[in-house]
Amino acid sequence: SYDLTQPPSVSVSPGQTARITCSGDALPKKYIYWYQQKSGQAPVLVIYEDSKRPSGIPERFSGSRSGTMATLTISGAHLEDEAVYHCYLTDSSGSLSVFGGGTQLTVL
Amino acid sequence: QVQLQESGPGLVKPSQTLSLTCAVSGGSVSSGSYYWSWIRQPAGKGLEWIGHLFTTGSADYNPSLTSRVTMALDTSRNQFSLRLTSVTAADTAVYFCARETCSPNSCYFDIWGQGTLVTVSS
Repeated sequence: SYDLTQPPSVSVSPGQTARITCSGDALPKKYIYWYQQKSGQAPVLVIYEDSKRPSGIPERFSGSRSGTMATLTISGAHLEDEAVYHCYLTDSSGSLSVFGGGTQLTVL
Repeated sequence: QVQLQESGPGLVKPSQTLSLTCAVSGGSVSSGSYYWSWIRQPAGKGLEWIGHLFTTGSADYNPSLTSRVTMALDTSRNQFSLRLTSVTAADTAVYFCARETCSPNSCYFDIWGQGTLVTVSS
């Protein structure tokens, strides 16, 4: 099976920049997507196609990639950004559709 | 606005079959370039893609689950379903249905149901 690796947790103070990484061998070939999941809720797409932001997602959320690593950056984290962030990769055929293990972002 | 709602038994006995339905409102399961997906999440763990159905009814499944999974589209009721056979405690999770929007080289889940907890226990 294919794996995407994320750190289990990241902590920042309000107003600081949070960076969450996602690494995997297939990254250079496929887009990465980032989902935010607050406690008890369904995930919400915050970044698609590596670096694009859906409408309604604050500008402080950005995505980038370099080689086999993708990064979600939250510039000036707010208390309401506290959530689990999941990276996701797919080839849309079903042969490769996988989530990372998720990263708990704590803002305090 | 498209909305999804999961339904089904919250408790399933080991070795039995888990069956869930996702009702779609505000849109049709048989139109557009969408996949209709199932994703699950054990308590305190990450998300796991189970599989998806295209609007034609063709399906792809997670290779680790393919021997036990069947998904189907019910266009008359505007819903889609998941069947997972021979369940064990490891199948205990919150199960989400989701719509996956695709374009060439890109697919993402843009609409999710609220999720439903299924516990496997005798």
